[in-house]
Amino acid sequence: DAGVTQSPTHLIKTRGQQVTLRCSPISGHKSVSWYQQVLGQGPQFIFQYYEKEERGRGNFPDRFSARQFPNYSSELNVNALLLGDSALYLCASSLVSVGTQYFGPGTRLLVL
Amino acid sequence: GENVEQHPSTLSVQEGDSAVIKCTYSDSASNYFPWYKQELGKRPQLIIDIRSNVGEKKDQRIAVTLNKTAKHFSLHITETQPEDSAVYFCAASRDTNAGKSTFGDGTTLTVKP
Repeated sequence: DAGVTQSPTHLIKTRGQQVTLRCSPISGHKSVSWYQQVLGQGPQFIFQYYEKEERGRGNFPDRFSARQFPNYSSELNVNALLLGDSALYLCASSLVSVGTQYFGPGTRLLVL
Repeated sequence: GENVEQHPSTLSVQEGDSAVIKCTYSDSASNYFPWYKQELGKRPQLIIDIRSNVGEKKDQRIAVTLNKTAKHFSLHITETQPEDSAVYFCAASRDTNAGKSTFGDGTTLTVKP
C-alpha cells in the first residue's frame, strides 16, 4: 500500500503570492490533518478534515484555508505569503478521526 | 489551548546507555500521548503511544510512562543504538484524536558508538 503522498516536494514563492499544497491519504483513510513545521520546532496543527468536513482549526490566520475532496484527498491554500510562512508543511492521515495518524513526506515551502 | 513542553532539547548518550525524554502538558482533558521519531529530512513516524487510562506501555526497548496527576509523560529508550539518533517529538491531544495534536519542540538524541 502506498503511504501518504504530498506534492510538490519543494516550492519557492515570493511574498504576496499564493500557494496550493496537495495531499493524498492512505487508501481508506478519511481523516486528513495539516501541520506546519518550522525549522527546529515541532509540527503545529493547522487543520483537520474528516469526511470532507472541517473538524478543527489551529491558531493560524485566515490566509490559510483547506478543503477535502470526495476521494479524501486534500488541499491546503495559503494566500498573501509572508516570509514567516517558510516551513515544512506536513499532511497526516488516519482511518477515522480518532485513529493513529501517518505523516506524508511534506512540502518544503520557501518564501523569498 | 494545549501547551506541551519537552526537555531536554538535546541529549547525547553512549551506545548501550538509556535515554529519557520528558514532556509536560497543560490541558487536563488531553487523553492521548504519542511519540514520534523524525530522522533528518524524513517524515515523523509514530514509535509508541499511550492513552490516559494506562500508566505505562512498553514495546521492546521503548517505554512510555504517564502521570496524569502531574500532567507529564516520558519516553524511555534502553540499550540505545546509533540508529536511535534522531529528533523525538512528544504530542498530546483530546478525545484520542491524534489528528489535532499539539507537539513539543523536539529532542535531538545523539547516540555515540
